[in-house]
Amino acid sequence: EAQVTQNPRYLITVTGKKLTVTCSQNMNHEYMSWYRQDPGLGLRQIYYSMNVEVTDKGDVPEGYKVSRKEKRNFPLILESPSPNQTSLYFCASSSYRDRGNGEQYFGPGTRLTVT
Amino acid sequence: AQSVSQHNHHVILSEAASLELGCNYSYGGTVNLFWYVQYPGQHLQLLLKYFSGDPLVKGIKGFEAEFIKSKFSFNLRKPSVQWSDTAEYFCAVNAKGTGRRALTFGSGTRLQVQP
Repeated sequence: EAQVTQNPRYLITVTGKKLTVTCSQNMNHEYMSWYRQDPGLGLRQIYYSMNVEVTDKGDVPEGYKVSRKEKRNFPLILESPSPNQTSLYFCASSSYRDRGNGEQYFGPGTRLTVT
Repeated sequence: AQSVSQHNHHVILSEAASLELGCNYSYGGTVNLFWYVQYPGQHLQLLLKYFSGDPLVKGIKGFEAEFIKSKFSFNLRKPSVQWSDTAEYFCAVNAKGTGRRALTFGSGTRLQVQP
């Protein structure tokens, strides 16, 4: 089954304790992206990756890091989480085979709470 | 940069009522347009999309949307809603020809259908 998976699905942590949220897709997609969803703000892009070893900032990158060492994986790293990073996070992927039409496939989400 | 406005934040309807959710975007160039749905506790799923051609597009579960270029609008419609349509609906835009491929989302409309 074609899918995007994220782990963990729920995480409660404390300020300053480094964490990683994993994202994996089995569709051989070149493009992957991270979004955060906050009430009243919709989804905002954090980072994206056009392909292996190619990453760039989205609209709200502060406080986050990413890496893309393999095509299928795109982990999101919070080196020193703060309460304002409490949010629902979504990973998404898409293929260039759709000729740049932008349709993205979303993971199930990770609800992060930073106390 | 593009932006998306969804004017209805919370809509309450009775079953069998007709639905229209507004979406307006601002961007000077050509866009791809999407409606995503998020059922309670689930990830985003694509309802329908517009890339080019016929401005009236049909999606899954009886939904349709009309792209009106002169009004920069892409409103979502359904003639008769069901209780199972209770969800949050997001309009999204992707600017064609940009390498970022980011989807810009509206803030979402929460639809509550009462039996």
